[in-house]
Amino acid sequence: RKEVEQDPGPFNVPEGATVAFNCTYSNSASQSFFWYRQDCRKEPKLLMSVYSSGNEDGRFTAQLNRASQYISLLIRDSKLSDSATYLCVVNMLNQGGKLIFGQGTELSVKP
Amino acid sequence: DAGVTQSPTHLIKTRGQHVTLRCSPISGHKSVSWYQQVLGQGPQFIFQYYEKEERGRGNFPDRFSARQFPNYSSELNVNALLLGDSALYLCASSLTAGATNEKLFFGSGTQLSVL
Repeated sequence: RKEVEQDPGPFNVPEGATVAFNCTYSNSASQSFFWYRQDCRKEPKLLMSVYSSGNEDGRFTAQLNRASQYISLLIRDSKLSDSATYLCVVNMLNQGGKLIFGQGTELSVKP
Repeated sequence: DAGVTQSPTHLIKTRGQHVTLRCSPISGHKSVSWYQQVLGQGPQFIFQYYEKEERGRGNFPDRFSARQFPNYSSELNVNALLLGDSALYLCASSLTAGATNEKLFFGSGTQLSVL
């Protein structure tokens, strides 16, 4: 079983749509959680950290459910520029340099 | 200020050869991590170095090795290349090595093709 699992998609949505991505992780000792965004064959870039209380950054909302070992990302009012691969990422206590990435979920926003 | 720089950007090798990839971290950052990203997969952790010492190693064969220099730059070496080593190799730098919420900054990667 993969440590971090995501639906690879692709998710094809029209502009303005709301889209949600889910992710599960297998190690209950996971301490920190992130969503990264990666454009085609470029480097991953941090989109947002995910906190237990849930957090929002503009059109993006992230949720964490430790009991179910489940992370989600909600994107409202999708823009064409949101088209990318979204990577769910976890790491363990005091292992800041060792990120564990999911496979990534591909999003394509169409006009 | 320059971000994380990696060289070369692209590389083509044949099976059995060896390759050296280079990374310069952001000024002031003392930790460098290496990741391999095969097409269609997320990046996979290979190594982390901090203050010239190995701090972590992923599940990769001994053909993969790395080192960090006094100026905190790093090299990743891969010997006896296999077709399956074809991937995007990413370097990430951070200030320290251990903090759980340490922010990593990625370079744009080296695309290695093994023929």
